[in-house]
Amino acid sequence: DTGVSQDPRHKITKRGQNVTFRCDPISEHNRLYWYRQTLGQGPEFLTYFQNEAQLEKSRLLSDRFSAERPKGSFSTLEIQRTEQGDSAMYLCASALRGALETQYFGPGTRLLVL
Amino acid sequence: DAKTTQPPSMDCAEGRAANLPCNHSTISGNEYVYWYRQIHSQGPQYIIHGLKNNETNEMASLIITEDRKSSTLILPHATLRDTAVYYCIVRVTEYGNKLVFGAGTILRVKS
Repeated sequence: DTGVSQDPRHKITKRGQNVTFRCDPISEHNRLYWYRQTLGQGPEFLTYFQNEAQLEKSRLLSDRFSAERPKGSFSTLEIQRTEQGDSAMYLCASALRGALETQYFGPGTRLLVL
Repeated sequence: DAKTTQPPSMDCAEGRAANLPCNHSTISGNEYVYWYRQIHSQGPQYIIHGLKNNETNEMASLIITEDRKSSTLILPHATLRDTAVYYCIVRVTEYGNKLVFGAGTILRVKS
């Protein structure tokens, strides 16, 4: 399968714990996006990378959230000191930079904070 | 990015064409219309996009009005597997540009 993959698919954690999610983009896609989706809502943008550079961060991305893409390939999203309000689906998308950029999404990581 | 307006839900009989409307009256000349769909518990799936001409691919057709203030996504022969939330998004594509999702239209295909 050459699509976007995310790991884990599901995560249950207790409030206050740290969690880390991984996203593997489509090979050679140089842009990578993170979104968050809560129940009944459309996805909301969190941040994006072009290669290894993080070029934009949403106000939704509080200080407890950090994202990296160290070698311009896979990316990680870490949430520190999780809160119940962090419960959501975390989606990753990748794209090839160009005039008609199209983002392709992974299956998402569903986080439940107890 | 321009705001879009979609009906909250629609029903369609299996085998019939599903026509999903989208209003984007404030669209700018350099903004494209994109459609994604999201089947329950999956990530959004790209369907089609266009600027001003009608577009067709293996999944759907996109009809954009001449003034570009509205568009319609057409699924020519809807199946039960097409039941999903359909999002219409307008965006400039030259930049690393986030997608701004609205609430979308819940399409229910019924047998």
